[in-house]
Amino acid sequence: AQSVTQPDIHITVSEGASLELRCNYSYGATPYLFWYVQSPGQGLQLLLKYFSGDTLVQGIKGFEAEFKRSQSSFNLRKPSVHWSDAAEYFCAVVGYGGSQGNLIFGKGTKLSVKP
Amino acid sequence: KAGVTQTPRYLIKTRGQQVTLSCSPISGHRSVSWYQQTPGQGLQFLFEYFSETQRNKGNFPGRFSGRQFSNSRSEMNVSTLELGDSALYLCASSLARLAGTYNEQFFGPGTRLTVL
Repeated sequence: AQSVTQPDIHITVSEGASLELRCNYSYGATPYLFWYVQSPGQGLQLLLKYFSGDTLVQGIKGFEAEFKRSQSSFNLRKPSVHWSDAAEYFCAVVGYGGSQGNLIFGKGTKLSVKP
Repeated sequence: KAGVTQTPRYLIKTRGQQVTLSCSPISGHRSVSWYQQTPGQGLQFLFEYFSETQRNKGNFPGRFSGRQFSNSRSEMNVSTLELGDSALYLCASSLARLAGTYNEQFFGPGTRLTVL
């Protein structure tokens, strides 16, 4: 079965520091990959997506992610974190076969930002 | 263009009751999916509706059901509520999905259900 692993449950970074959130997936073919962000009490907002092509994808709010097939990873990065980036981040892959079309999410990484 | 709307935003029910949640997709979107989010299990897929038909279903008991109307609006129903049904229920809409393609899902703010 497909799965998504986000190894870090909680990360704290200082404002202005760089950020990398890790995501590993298990999937048999070329995956459709996503990063979503969720602020407290809110729904999910799409940050970026990878369907095919250039393995470095740019998203909103200055985020980018790199797809590495050899490592089954899709890590999210931001060069300089702002206090407003504090939220929970979810990596997701589109299911196939019996799960076709629905999103399979990782457990999420909660980001705290120190002033 | 208005986003996905969900009503109500908050609900408190007691065990054994049933509840109906509503979702209005983005205009023009014909696919609606439902997800349950809990601290323990994370985000889990419930079901997807397209053109008033359930197209896909997650691993949830039959107490969880849904439907979609001709205007693409969707409802989900949970009968005989249990304490473990307390969760944030998220609805997502997307354009019609053709075989071999994928259209991204846009999420609503969710309905927070508390079962006492």
